[in-house]
Amino acid sequence: GQNIDQPTEMTATEGAIVQINCTYQTSGFNGLFWYQQHAGEAPTFLSYNVLDGLEEKGRFSSFLSRSKGYSYLLLKELQMKDSASYLCAVRGGRGSTLGRLYFGRGTQLTVWP
Amino acid sequence: DTGVSQDPRHKITKRGQNVTFRCDPISEHNRLYWYRQTLGQGPEFLTYFQNEAQLEKSRLLSDRFSAERPKGSFSTLEIQRTEQGDSAMYLCASSLTAGSDEQYFGPGTRLTVT
Repeated sequence: GQNIDQPTEMTATEGAIVQINCTYQTSGFNGLFWYQQHAGEAPTFLSYNVLDGLEEKGRFSSFLSRSKGYSYLLLKELQMKDSASYLCAVRGGRGSTLGRLYFGRGTQLTVWP
Repeated sequence: DTGVSQDPRHKITKRGQNVTFRCDPISEHNRLYWYRQTLGQGPEFLTYFQNEAQLEKSRLLSDRFSAERPKGSFSTLEIQRTEQGDSAMYLCASSLTAGSDEQYFGPGTRLTVT
């Protein structure tokens, strides 16, 4: 089976740094994705990790440890527009699961002024 | 526009009616996925296509649901005899290949069954 866990809600203030954790247990693995989703809108791609380590893209960074089944998304210099749900997703890695994404429930981040 | 498009964006229907949604993927993308998302949850996989071939269907997809992708281009998702539990956002996504590319999501079709 597939199990992906992330916190339900987080809050932070403008200009701060926030780390959203994700742990996973999946039968196959071919990469971990982070998506941002504003209310009523489609998910938009933020980052992708397939090897261990840190990937940095501007204000967003994502880390992966495959041996620990763990990832985090780091958001720096928070802005009000970063208030959204952040979805952790694992891509299936073999057979019929190849390519399909397994999503966590999402972490609703609220940024306060 | 080169993104994934979905039509309609919103659909309100009465219980028992049939509905059909359309998804137009990014033109060169071979893989097309359908997901369903309810409030407070992440998207759940329903089915996917590699070109015109439907390769897998989730157990979430009851026999009231059917999806097609004729000619490997656009796809349709039909729900027959809708139930209130079918109310959700139906998301379509496409990717260039199965194993190495991100999935691009369309804006979704929000279905409300009354």
